Amino acid sequence: AQKITQTQPGMFVQEKEAVTLDCTYDTSDPSYGLFWYKQPSSGEMIFLIYQGSYDQQNATEGRYSLNFQKARKSANLVISASQLGDSAMYFCAMREGRVEYGNKLVFGAGTILRVKS
Amino acid sequence: GAGVSQSPRYKVAKRGQDVALRCDPISGHVSLFWYQQALGQGPEFLTYFQNEAQLDKSGLPSDRFFAERPEGSVSTLKIQRTQQEDSAVYLCASSPKSGGLNEQYFGPGTRLTVT
Repeated sequence: AQKITQTQPGMFVQEKEAVTLDCTYDTSDPSYGLFWYKQPSSGEMIFLIYQGSYDQQNATEGRYSLNFQKARKSANLVISASQLGDSAMYFCAMREGRVEYGNKLVFGAGTILRVKS
Repeated sequence: GAGVSQSPRYKVAKRGQDVALRCDPISGHVSLFWYQQALGQGPEFLTYFQNEAQLDKSGLPSDRFFAERPEGSVSTLKIQRTQQEDSAVYLCASSPKSGGLNEQYFGPGTRLTVT
């Protein structure tokens, strides 16, 4: 089974509007972390936001927030007030297990976001 | 400050050639990761170092792939006898410690094309 599923291959959003990018995950480990990365056409991976499995509140970082629904195993990224510069590929990723076992990330297939002016 | 750097940024190799890809992590970062990203897909884990120790190499696709980090800083990913299916972007990431949030900082990647 896929550990990280991003069901939206591509999304369009109007500039200044909010958009939600979906991510569901699969793990039996009670300790895990969820990450969102942005990858512009230039190729670099830019860290956006993190949610730990034991965190009580949803993570927020500026215009980014993570809608964490643990029972549903979903960790959707919400981008508010979209900007043209938000156009990029977005990846959801998970780190699972005890940290001494390594911290490798498992990535989803990504969602391409296009912001329209 | 300087981020993670990788060289070369682009590499074209003829099938059967050996290649070496270099990663300079952020100074002082304990953990170093290599990922392979095929066109249009998410990165896939290859291997993980904590200082000079290679603690996980479960993602290396074959014994043609070899990675090292002899002094716990710079790392080299070597691919022997390259095949067309090795064409991908190879991403290196480092993180300051092995615990906690452990955000991974990625380099710009090396795009390998095998002809």
